[in-house]
Amino acid sequence: EIVLTQSPGTLSLSPGERATLSCRASQSVSSSYLAWYQQKPGQAPRLLIYGASFRATGIPDRFSGSGSGTDFTLTISRLEPEDFAVYYCQQYGSSPMYTFGQGTKLEIK
Amino acid sequence: QVQLVQSGAEVKKPGASVKVSCKVSGYTLTELSMHWVRQAPGKGLEWMGGFDPEDGETLYAQKFQGRVTMTEDTSTHTAYMELSSLRSEDTAVYYCATRWRGAFDPWGQGTLVTVSS
Repeated sequence: EIVLTQSPGTLSLSPGERATLSCRASQSVSSSYLAWYQQKPGQAPRLLIYGASFRATGIPDRFSGSGSGTDFTLTISRLEPEDFAVYYCQQYGSSPMYTFGQGTKLEIK
Repeated sequence: QVQLVQSGAEVKKPGASVKVSCKVSGYTLTELSMHWVRQAPGKGLEWMGGFDPEDGETLYAQKFQGRVTMTEDTSTHTAYMELSSLRSEDTAVYYCATRWRGAFDPWGQGTLVTVSS
């Protein structure tokens, strides 16, 4: 089973700063099948990045994804107030077919 | 574009079953790969199962095998997830979501299922 470990658990930053979120896999993950989501309280997750580096429709270009193999990163170049939320990475591949990281909470400092 | 609208909140007793619906608009169910993900209160996301277009089968996460059934009614454009033998640990928000390029997009609004005696 592929386990995704996200770090840090909580990230405290101010608007305008750069955020770097990490997702590490216990085994190699196909870059084609690594995604990132944003979830705000009381809302369903929203797809931000698919295929490790492709922005989903309507996602601002301050969000970017990178990485390959076992190490992936979500970067938010300049934080806006609406970016403070919980972020999850997710992989598709080995059994179980889909797994999520435990999440990183991005909070206002 | 695809839109998913789920049924309302449910309260069930331990041992009972729950059936959550997810109505699709914008596309037909046969064009989609529907999946279900749950989220316990204050916890992360957990994939339960869904349709695998490569195999043409519905696959279930091992944790839920034998307890979950996912079906579709193409005449009403509605997908269903039924979970049986409910226990308190099944209290969660249940989401339907369509698979797209290995990811899930879009998602339904979620259905809270509370299991309590």
